[in-house]
Amino acid sequence: GAGVSQSPSNKVTEKGKDVELRCDPISGHTALYWYRQSLGQGLEFLIYFQGNSAPDKSGLPSDRFSAERTGGSVSTLTIQRTQQEDSAVYLCASRPSVSSYNEQFFGPGTRLTVL
Amino acid sequence: AQTVTQSQPEMSVQEAETVTLSCTYDTSESDYYLFWYKQPPSRQMILVIRQEAYKQQNATENRFSVNFQKAAKSFSLKISDSQLGDAAMYFCAYRSTNTGNQFYFGTGTSLTVIP
Repeated sequence: GAGVSQSPSNKVTEKGKDVELRCDPISGHTALYWYRQSLGQGLEFLIYFQGNSAPDKSGLPSDRFSAERTGGSVSTLTIQRTQQEDSAVYLCASRPSVSSYNEQFFGPGTRLTVL
Repeated sequence: AQTVTQSQPEMSVQEAETVTLSCTYDTSESDYYLFWYKQPPSRQMILVIRQEAYKQQNATENRFSVNFQKAAKSFSLKISDSQLGDAAMYFCAYRSTNTGNQFYFGTGTSLTVIP
């Protein structure tokens, strides 16, 4: 079956512009995560969605970052007034349920470059 | 928050040889899950192996096995009969069974396989 997809694959933008990154999770997966991966760094948790519950936004680095998940499926991560330090790979992952045992299934990521 | 440490930024191994990647973590919990993920140049994160903390037996998946030392909070990955396709970044991850739904990742180890 189809895996997690993300678009665009690469995005180059100018400082100060807004960007939207999209994630399509695996059908039926109720949990969705966004991570930021900077060069040479691990995965930095950004936000987590679980079904219709309020999202866990504890990892968002500033109020320029926001995310939504429509209909419990597709998610969009928005970065307003982008800065050069926002340049990174943004990874999305989904999980089939709240079961602790289940691993995350990752998308290929969006590489964001802010000039 | 839990921390996961991978002290080897880079490792190399001769093809067909065995290599061990180290991972340590800090937690006060007794029940949790540990994962190793592989991220090839394509950026697609793939689960390699997982371990439940309450199981004493080390997990094994074909050429991949772990050495789980709960008291030492150590979770190393052993790759036997290394293949060129094993070249990738490897991330160790921790997930609590109690506190939220976050996965905590280490900073990764870049593995090179020498033909």
